[in-house]
Amino acid sequence: QSDLTQPASVSGSPGQSITLSCTKVKNDIGNYQFVSWYQRRPGQAPKLIIYEDNLRPSGVSHRYSASVSDRTSSLTISGLQGDDEGDYFCSTFGGLTGVVFGAGTRVTV
Amino acid sequence: QIALKESGPRLVRPTQTLTLTCSFSGFRLNTRGVGVGWIRQAPDQTLEWLALIYWNNAKLFNPSLETRLAISMSGNSVVLTMTKLDPIDTATYFCAHANVRTPVITFNYFDPWGQGAPVTVS
Repeated sequence: QSDLTQPASVSGSPGQSITLSCTKVKNDIGNYQFVSWYQRRPGQAPKLIIYEDNLRPSGVSHRYSASVSDRTSSLTISGLQGDDEGDYFCSTFGGLTGVVFGAGTRVTV
Repeated sequence: QIALKESGPRLVRPTQTLTLTCSFSGFRLNTRGVGVGWIRQAPDQTLEWLALIYWNNAKLFNPSLETRLAISMSGNSVVLTMTKLDPIDTATYFCAHANVRTPVITFNYFDPWGQGAPVTVS
């Protein structure tokens, strides 16, 4: 069982906006750790799309945005397109447990 | 431009040892704030972090696999060794460039990733 809980799947129509959630199961103890998000399209390597909670790497579409509230990080994909289909994983650093990934959310357009 | 590529055997027998090499370019692993990590993904499973090595040779391992893992660096490559392979270890193994925050050394994120190396244990 992951320390990060994600819904198994989310779907939407082209042009719509969808939001994926990532909730830290355990209470934060000690220093806060940032959340990052990765996209994995079928047959491709994972790609970083959000780091340090809400920052977008250079070259990543502005249609991807993220925010954090309490223990939940939310990734929003606006103007949904076909190439947004894939699996989305949130991740954080769990201290003694090291790097933690959520179970992933499959996005269907 | 940073690039990483994994190499190693595609088929490993149960109980054997797996050795994977991550060859990279575009950065130096002796640069402060840099690391290389290994992550795997079994079919229809989530990503599972395995190990990290930092520029100062500090190493972190997934606690559930720590007794079976070793990681080392040499020049422009990082080697991951996993002992006592089992069919459940069948997965695609990725290496990735790690961004590490300082001065309190803390892993931040992986970017970019290699294409992955499929490994079957059978």
